[in-house]
Amino acid sequence: QQQVKQSPQSLIVQKGGISIINCAYENTAFDYFPWYQQFPGKGPALLIAIRPDVSEKKEGRFTISFNKSAKQFSLHIMDSQPGDSATYFCAASKNYGQNFVFGPGTRLSVLP
Amino acid sequence: EAGVVQSPRYKIIEKKQPVAFWCNPISGHNTLYWYLQNLGQGPELLIRYENEEAVDDSQLPKDRFSAERLKGVDSTLKIQPAELGDSAVYLCASSLGAGVSTDTQYFGPGTRLTVL
Repeated sequence: QQQVKQSPQSLIVQKGGISIINCAYENTAFDYFPWYQQFPGKGPALLIAIRPDVSEKKEGRFTISFNKSAKQFSLHIMDSQPGDSATYFCAASKNYGQNFVFGPGTRLSVLP
Repeated sequence: EAGVVQSPRYKIIEKKQPVAFWCNPISGHNTLYWYLQNLGQGPELLIRYENEEAVDDSQLPKDRFSAERLKGVDSTLKIQPAELGDSAVYLCASSLGAGVSTDTQYFGPGTRLTVL
Protein backbone atom coordinates (compact mmCIF):
# COMPACT_ATOMS: atom_id res chain seq x y z
CA GLN A 1 0.00 0.00 0.00
CA GLN A 2 1.53 3.28 -1.13
CA GLN A 3 1.05 5.74 1.69
CA VAL A 4 3.05 8.62 0.21
CA LYS A 5 2.37 9.86 -3.31
CA GLN A 6 4.90 12.00 -5.15
CA SER A 7 4.80 14.03 -8.33
CA PRO A 8 6.06 14.66 -10.90
CA GLN A 9 7.93 11.48 -11.73
CA SER A 10 10.54 13.49 -13.61
CA LEU A 11 11.29 17.19 -13.91
CA ILE A 12 13.50 19.22 -16.22
CA VAL A 13 14.41 22.74 -15.18
CA GLN A 14 16.71 25.35 -16.62
CA LYS A 15 19.63 26.56 -14.53
CA GLY A 16 18.47 29.34 -12.23
CA GLY A 17 14.86 28.20 -12.31
CA ILE A 18 12.66 26.92 -9.49
CA SER A 19 12.12 23.18 -9.05
CA ILE A 20 8.94 22.11 -7.27
CA ILE A 21 8.17 18.57 -6.15
CA ASN A 22 4.93 17.66 -4.44
CA CYS A 23 3.98 14.90 -2.03
CA ALA A 24 0.76 13.80 -0.40
CA TYR A 25 0.18 11.40 2.44
CA GLU A 26 -2.78 9.54 3.87
CA ASN A 27 -1.86 8.57 7.41
CA THR A 28 -2.64 11.41 9.79
CA ALA A 29 -0.38 9.78 12.39
CA PHE A 30 2.71 10.82 10.42
CA ASP A 31 4.63 13.49 12.31
CA TYR A 32 7.94 13.87 10.52
CA PHE A 33 8.49 14.64 6.84
CA PRO A 34 12.03 14.53 5.45
CA TRP A 35 13.27 14.97 1.92
CA TYR A 36 16.16 12.85 0.70
CA GLN A 37 18.47 13.44 -2.25
CA GLN A 38 20.04 10.52 -4.06
CA PHE A 39 22.78 10.59 -6.68
CA PRO A 40 23.42 7.58 -8.94
CA GLY A 41 25.32 4.85 -7.13
CA LYS A 42 24.89 6.51 -3.75
CA GLY A 43 22.53 6.05 -0.86
CA PRO A 44 19.89 8.69 -0.11
CA ALA A 45 21.07 11.64 1.97
CA LEU A 46 18.88 13.86 4.15
CA LEU A 47 18.31 17.24 2.54
CA ILE A 48 15.77 18.96 4.76
CA ALA A 49 12.94 17.90 7.06
CA ILE A 50 9.87 19.40 8.69
CA ARG A 51 7.51 18.63 11.53
CA PRO A 52 3.76 19.35 11.24
CA ASP A 53 3.79 22.15 13.81
CA VAL A 54 5.27 24.54 11.22
CA SER A 55 4.07 25.41 7.73
CA GLU A 56 7.41 26.20 6.14
CA LYS A 57 11.08 25.54 6.65
CA LYS A 58 13.92 27.02 4.66
CA GLU A 59 17.54 25.98 4.47
CA GLY A 60 19.58 27.84 1.89
CA ARG A 61 18.03 27.30 -1.53
CA PHE A 62 15.74 24.52 -0.26
CA THR A 63 12.30 25.16 1.23
CA ILE A 64 9.63 22.76 2.47
CA SER A 65 6.04 23.96 2.45
CA PHE A 66 3.63 21.95 4.58
CA ASN A 67 -0.17 21.94 4.47
CA LYS A 68 -1.47 19.81 7.31
CA SER A 69 -5.17 20.12 6.45
CA ALA A 70 -4.55 19.02 2.87
CA LYS A 71 -2.03 16.39 3.95
CA GLN A 72 0.43 17.70 1.40
CA PHE A 73 3.99 18.97 1.46
CA SER A 74 6.34 20.17 -1.21
CA LEU A 75 10.01 20.85 -1.85
CA HIS A 76 11.07 24.03 -3.60
CA ILE A 77 14.59 24.39 -4.94
CA MET A 78 15.37 28.00 -5.75
CA ASP A 79 18.06 28.99 -8.27
CA SER A 80 18.37 25.36 -9.40
CA GLN A 81 21.88 24.30 -10.41
CA PRO A 82 23.14 21.42 -12.57
CA GLY A 83 24.65 19.93 -9.41
CA ASP A 84 21.11 19.56 -8.06
CA SER A 85 20.40 16.96 -10.74
CA ALA A 86 19.47 13.88 -8.73
CA THR A 87 16.49 11.85 -7.58
CA TYR A 88 14.51 13.35 -4.74
CA PHE A 89 12.40 11.29 -2.34
CA CYS A 90 9.88 12.59 0.12
CA ALA A 91 9.19 10.46 3.14
CA ALA A 92 6.97 10.35 6.19
CA SER A 93 7.17 8.64 9.53
CA LYS A 94 5.51 8.29 12.89
CA ASN A 95 7.35 8.79 16.15
CA TYR A 96 9.65 11.43 14.75
CA GLY A 97 11.85 9.48 12.43
CA GLN A 98 11.31 5.76 12.76
CA ASN A 99 10.14 3.52 9.95
CA PHE A 100 10.06 5.91 7.04
CA VAL A 101 7.61 5.44 4.20
CA PHE A 102 9.20 6.82 1.04
CA GLY A 103 7.55 8.26 -2.03
CA PRO A 104 8.45 6.79 -5.44
CA GLY A 105 10.91 9.59 -6.24
CA THR A 106 11.31 12.46 -8.69
CA ARG A 107 14.21 12.53 -11.10
CA LEU A 108 15.33 16.15 -11.47
CA SER A 109 17.50 17.29 -14.36
CA VAL A 110 18.80 20.88 -14.30
CA LEU A 111 20.00 22.00 -17.70
CA PRO A 112 23.07 24.27 -17.87
CA GLU B 1 33.45 10.61 10.68
CA ALA B 2 33.03 7.42 8.69
CA GLY B 3 29.62 6.84 7.21
CA VAL B 4 27.63 3.65 6.91
CA VAL B 5 29.75 0.99 5.24
CA GLN B 6 28.27 -1.76 3.11
CA SER B 7 29.84 -4.65 1.27
CA PRO B 8 29.95 -5.92 -1.30
CA ARG B 9 28.94 -3.01 -3.53
CA TYR B 10 27.90 -5.32 -6.34
CA LYS B 11 26.93 -8.96 -6.41
CA ILE B 12 25.88 -11.16 -9.33
CA ILE B 13 24.55 -14.63 -8.59
CA GLU B 14 22.45 -17.26 -10.26
CA LYS B 15 18.95 -17.95 -9.00
CA LYS B 16 18.61 -20.40 -6.14
CA GLN B 17 22.05 -19.45 -4.84
CA PRO B 18 22.49 -17.89 -1.39
CA VAL B 19 23.81 -14.36 -0.90
CA ALA B 20 24.74 -12.21 2.08
CA PHE B 21 25.17 -8.49 2.57
CA TRP B 22 27.12 -6.83 5.35
CA CYS B 23 26.60 -3.46 7.01
CA ASN B 24 28.69 -1.52 9.50
CA PRO B 25 26.69 1.42 10.91
CA ILE B 26 27.99 4.75 12.11
CA SER B 27 29.71 4.41 15.47
CA GLY B 28 27.32 5.05 18.32
CA HIS B 29 24.18 4.50 16.27
CA ASN B 30 21.84 2.12 18.04
CA THR B 31 19.23 1.77 15.32
CA LEU B 32 19.96 -0.06 12.09
CA TYR B 33 17.68 -0.44 9.08
CA TRP B 34 17.73 -2.62 5.99
CA TYR B 35 15.86 -1.31 2.96
CA LEU B 36 15.12 -2.71 -0.47
CA GLN B 37 15.19 -0.28 -3.39
CA ASN B 38 13.88 -1.39 -6.75
CA LEU B 39 14.91 0.51 -9.85
CA GLY B 40 13.04 3.79 -10.09
CA GLN B 41 11.40 3.37 -6.71
CA GLY B 42 11.85 4.64 -3.19
CA PRO B 43 13.42 2.51 -0.47
CA GLU B 44 11.14 0.04 1.29
CA LEU B 45 11.87 -1.02 4.85
CA LEU B 46 12.71 -4.68 5.39
CA ILE B 47 13.76 -4.71 9.03
CA ARG B 48 14.68 -2.34 11.85
CA TYR B 49 16.96 -3.13 14.76
CA GLU B 50 17.20 -1.35 18.09
CA ASN B 51 20.60 -2.53 19.29
CA GLU B 52 20.54 -6.30 18.73
CA GLU B 53 16.74 -6.64 18.81
CA ALA B 54 14.70 -6.77 15.62
CA VAL B 55 11.81 -4.49 16.61
CA ASP B 56 10.10 -4.42 13.21
CA ASP B 57 10.51 -7.23 10.69
CA SER B 58 6.95 -7.24 9.41
CA GLN B 59 8.05 -6.53 5.82
CA LEU B 60 10.84 -9.11 5.74
CA PRO B 61 9.95 -12.17 3.58
CA LYS B 62 10.91 -14.68 6.20
CA ASP B 63 10.70 -17.71 3.96
CA ARG B 64 13.92 -16.73 2.22
CA PHE B 65 15.28 -13.64 3.96
CA SER B 66 17.03 -13.53 7.32
CA ALA B 67 18.99 -10.93 9.18
CA GLU B 68 21.08 -10.68 12.30
CA ARG B 69 22.80 -8.00 14.29
CA LEU B 70 25.04 -9.72 16.76
CA LYS B 71 26.44 -7.54 19.54
CA GLY B 72 24.26 -4.67 18.32
CA VAL B 73 26.79 -3.29 15.85
CA ASP B 74 27.35 -4.90 12.44
CA SER B 75 24.51 -6.56 10.63
CA THR B 76 24.13 -9.19 7.94
CA LEU B 77 21.19 -9.67 5.60
CA LYS B 78 20.91 -13.03 3.88
CA ILE B 79 18.78 -14.37 1.05
CA GLN B 80 18.51 -18.12 0.53
CA PRO B 81 17.62 -19.10 -2.10
CA ALA B 82 17.68 -15.99 -4.29
CA GLU B 83 15.01 -15.48 -6.93
CA LEU B 84 15.05 -13.37 -10.08
CA GLY B 85 12.73 -10.84 -8.46
CA ASP B 86 15.27 -10.19 -5.71
CA SER B 87 17.41 -8.15 -8.10
CA ALA B 88 17.54 -4.70 -6.49
CA VAL B 89 19.69 -2.43 -4.37
CA TYR B 90 19.84 -3.33 -0.69
CA LEU B 91 20.42 -0.28 1.47
CA CYS B 92 21.54 -0.16 5.07
CA ALA B 93 20.90 2.89 7.23
CA SER B 94 21.63 3.79 10.82
CA SER B 95 20.47 6.39 13.31
CA LEU B 96 21.10 7.35 16.91
CA GLY B 97 17.99 5.54 18.07
CA ALA B 98 14.76 5.67 19.96
CA GLY B 99 14.16 8.68 22.12
CA VAL B 100 15.97 11.05 19.81
CA SER B 101 13.60 13.65 18.40
CA THR B 102 13.60 13.69 14.59
CA ASP B 103 16.12 10.88 14.43
CA THR B 104 18.05 11.24 11.17
CA GLN B 105 18.77 8.12 9.15
CA TYR B 106 22.11 7.93 7.39
CA PHE B 107 22.29 5.60 4.43
CA GLY B 108 25.13 3.52 3.07
CA PRO B 109 25.86 3.31 -0.66
CA GLY B 110 23.95 0.05 -1.01
CA THR B 111 24.65 -3.35 -2.52
CA ARG B 112 23.36 -3.86 -6.04
CA LEU B 113 22.24 -7.46 -6.43
CA THR B 114 21.68 -9.04 -9.82
CA VAL B 115 20.11 -12.49 -9.91
CA LEU B 116 20.52 -14.32 -13.24
